[in-house]
Amino acid sequence: DIVMTQSPDSLAVSLGERATINCRSSQSVLYSSNNKNYLAWYQQKPGQPPKLLIYWASTRESGVPDRFSGSGSGTDFTLTISSLQAEDLAVYYCQQHYSTPHTFGQGTKVEIK
Amino acid sequence: QVLLVQSGPEVKKPGASVKVSCKASGYTFTTYAMNWVRQAPGQRLEWMGWINADNDNTRYSQKFQDRVTITRDTSASTAYLELYSLKSEDTAVYYCARAASGWDAFDSWGQGTLVTVSS
Repeated sequence: DIVMTQSPDSLAVSLGERATINCRSSQSVLYSSNNKNYLAWYQQKPGQPPKLLIYWASTRESGVPDRFSGSGSGTDFTLTISSLQAEDLAVYYCQQHYSTPHTFGQGTKVEIK
Repeated sequence: QVLLVQSGPEVKKPGASVKVSCKASGYTFTTYAMNWVRQAPGQRLEWMGWINADNDNTRYSQKFQDRVTITRDTSASTAYLELYSLKSEDTAVYYCARAASGWDAFDSWGQGTLVTVSS
């Protein structure tokens, strides 16, 4: 199984400041035949299901604010919230869908400082 | 709009089985795959398996291979997760989640179904 490891486990950021979450996979999730990274980011607010933010490592889902961006390739990925808003309080998960089982990171809790 | 509506909470005894449903609307059911993901208290999300709603092909996590079945009813646009031989560790919120294929990100999620396993 591919192990997904996020860092940090939690972070507190002031409103308007940048938040950066890292995700590392135990093996590459880059599929060479189409040059796509099978890596997604989700946001989960308390009492709600996860919501897709980013897919193919860097493509923003329709309707997601452009302050959310994803980057990286191979085994190392980053989710950046460029200017944190109060509504961004949530747990963020990365997920690989390159191979089954499709595994998730342990989550990063973003809090307001 | 895409909507996935799951069945209500369940309380089961150890050793029993549970069947959770996920009714889809707002899109053509057979053109997507449906995944099942669970989240135990304080744990990370855990993928259990998926079904191709068109051809009924399934793929399961090896962890659950022996005691899970995912099915679908195309006439009802509904997917089902059945988990057998329940243990207390199966207490979790179970989600269905749509994907364009078994190898795509999950773009819509059900509201979740709490399954509690307790004697």
